[in-house]
This record gives sequence, C-alpha cells and structure tokens, in this order.
Amino acid sequence: NAGVTQTPKFRILKIGQSMTLQCTQDMNHNYMYWYRQDPGMGLKLIYYSVGAGITDKGEVPNGYNVSRSTTEDFPLRLELAAPSQTSVYFCASRDRGDNEKLFFGSGTQLSVL
Amino acid sequence: GDSVTQMEGPVTLSEEAFLTINCTYTATGYPSLFWYVQYPGEGLQLLLKATKADDKGSNKGFEATYRKETTSFHLEKGSVQVSDSAVYFCALSGDNDMRFGAGTRLTVKP
Repeated sequence: NAGVTQTPKFRILKIGQSMTLQCTQDMNHNYMYWYRQDPGMGLKLIYYSVGAGITDKGEVPNGYNVSRSTTEDFPLRLELAAPSQTSVYFCASRDRGDNEKLFFGSGTQLSVL
Repeated sequence: GDSVTQMEGPVTLSEEAFLTINCTYTATGYPSLFWYVQYPGEGLQLLLKATKADDKGSNKGFEATYRKETTSFHLEKGSVQVSDSAVYFCALSGDNDMRFGAGTRLTVKP
C-alpha cells in the first residue's frame, strides 16, 4: 500500500525556472493538500482540494498553481521560481468524514538559487 | 481565522524526564485537535487526536486533553525516551483544511 507518493525528493532550480511537484495517493481520498515547511515556521497551507475538479487557496498561494483532474493526483506548479520558494514541500491527503487523520508524503526538498 | 500556537522550542530533556509541550488554539467553532510527530527525514505522522471538549487522546505513552475552557491541548509524557526525539506539531481541523503550529523540536539525551 503506497499511500501518498511525492516526486522528486530533491530538486535545485535556477531563478525563473518552472517545475511541477507531483503527488499521487492510492487511498481514494477526497481531500488533498500542499504544505510548505520553512525552518522554525511550521507548515503553511499553499492549496487544497476537496475533490476532483475543485481547488482552493490556502494561506500562502502566491507563486503556485494546482490542478485536480483526478482523485489520485494533485500536482503543484511553480511557474517562475524565486529564492523565497526554497522550502520543503509536503503533500497530504485525508478521507472525508469523521476520520480526519492526514496522511503525508515524504516531502520534496526544493532549493532555488 | 483559526490558528494554533505552540510553545517555543527547542526542548532538551534527559531520558525518563517528564515532558510537556504547550499548545493553545483560536477557533470560531469546535474543531478537532491533533498532535503530529515528524521524525528526521520523514513526513508528519498522526500521534493522537481529540474530537470534542474533555476528550483525552493517547498513544505511545503520550497524552493530551482537549480543554475548551482554556482553549488548550497540551502534550504530555511521563517518561521520555531517546527514540522520542522528533519535532511535534499541534494542529486543528477547519471546515476543509488543517492548520498547524510552528512545531517544537524535542531532543532526548541518554
């Protein structure tokens, strides 16, 4: 059972480059999330989705885009990478209902130089 | 909006010491409350949760009680081990999202 899978694990970008962080889950979860984790700052919500075709902004959406064409996949797009986007990115998912447990991927460490 | 505030870290303890990590929350409704743990190089894992006032969540010797009157959900463990060294996050669930505190790094020395 794979759970939540994120790729790549590490990436170095130059300023202005673009990339997509991939996230897929095999638990048929409706809810999916993207967080960024900065040192000493905890997790900040970038975008989330409550189901295929539905996305919404979190606390820090600027500079990012998402799409949710299927239940399984929730890619995060950086169009013009900036040094401020250097961070560790986590994708997470959960089922709808009483069980609010989040399942996290292992993270993507991104450096923008 | 809804938010969570955790005590500043890092926290360094000797093995078998008592642990408390403070967490308070601000919310307009009645959210569920959570503690997540992050071991080095890994994503977060759910440690325990409580869904309503006066509920006590517990797991692996850790406990936290949902206190509505003080809007708190402090994490406690009676005797910590070296293997408990990790970063601990308090969190609350909103309507559709999950809000996290800044995290508290715990180091337990033998």
